[in-house]
Amino acid sequence: QSVLTQPPSVSGAPGQRVTISCTGGSSNIGAPYDVHWYQQLPGTAPKLLIYGDDNRPSGVPDRFSGSKSGTSASLAITGLRAEDEADYFCQSYDNSLSASVFGTGTKVTVL
Amino acid sequence: EVQLVQSGAEVRKPGESLRISCQASGYSFTSYWIAWVRQMPGRGLEWLGIISPSDSDTRYSPSFQGQVTMSADRSISTAFLEWSSLRASDTAMYYCARLPYLRDFLEYWGQGTLVTVSS
Repeated sequence: QSVLTQPPSVSGAPGQRVTISCTGGSSNIGAPYDVHWYQQLPGTAPKLLIYGDDNRPSGVPDRFSGSKSGTSASLAITGLRAEDEADYFCQSYDNSLSASVFGTGTKVTVL
Repeated sequence: EVQLVQSGAEVRKPGESLRISCQASGYSFTSYWIAWVRQMPGRGLEWLGIISPSDSDTRYSPSFQGQVTMSADRSISTAFLEWSSLRASDTAMYYCARLPYLRDFLEYWGQGTLVTVSS
């Protein structure tokens, strides 16, 4: 049972905007510790998508953006494309566990 | 180019031991911490812990303390994850990944090692 909760699934039509929430608490996101996001395409290793709440690594399209407020964070995908169909995970540090934790994961489906 | 290349898939019986590896290249192995991540079939990601290859300092997630052992061999730029007595519930994909300097996110990932434990 992860301490970071995400919706199991979100969906949208091509071109639409979707958001994925990551809800934590005062020992992780709200402490505040940085939130990072990963994309996992089917059958592949996860890939870093957003780090430090709202920073994109080189090569990640600006269609992906991150934000944080209080004990929650969000990943937004604008201009949804078929290639965005994947699982997405948030990650943060938790000081009650003295370890990092991942969110429960969200499957994005492009209709 | 930073690369983390993991050892191949393994099949073991319950109670057997196992060590899987993660060989690093393209950077100074001792300068960056390595993390291990578990993904059980059809499930999410779980943080096992991290190891500093420079001095083998380890930080285990509470759920995995005592269940696995992380180690590193600086002479061959390789990190290891080891089980002394496997259980069926250890069946999963295991990933190694590199953390940036003084940060806690996973910047580079290995391709994963599938461990299957079955009688």
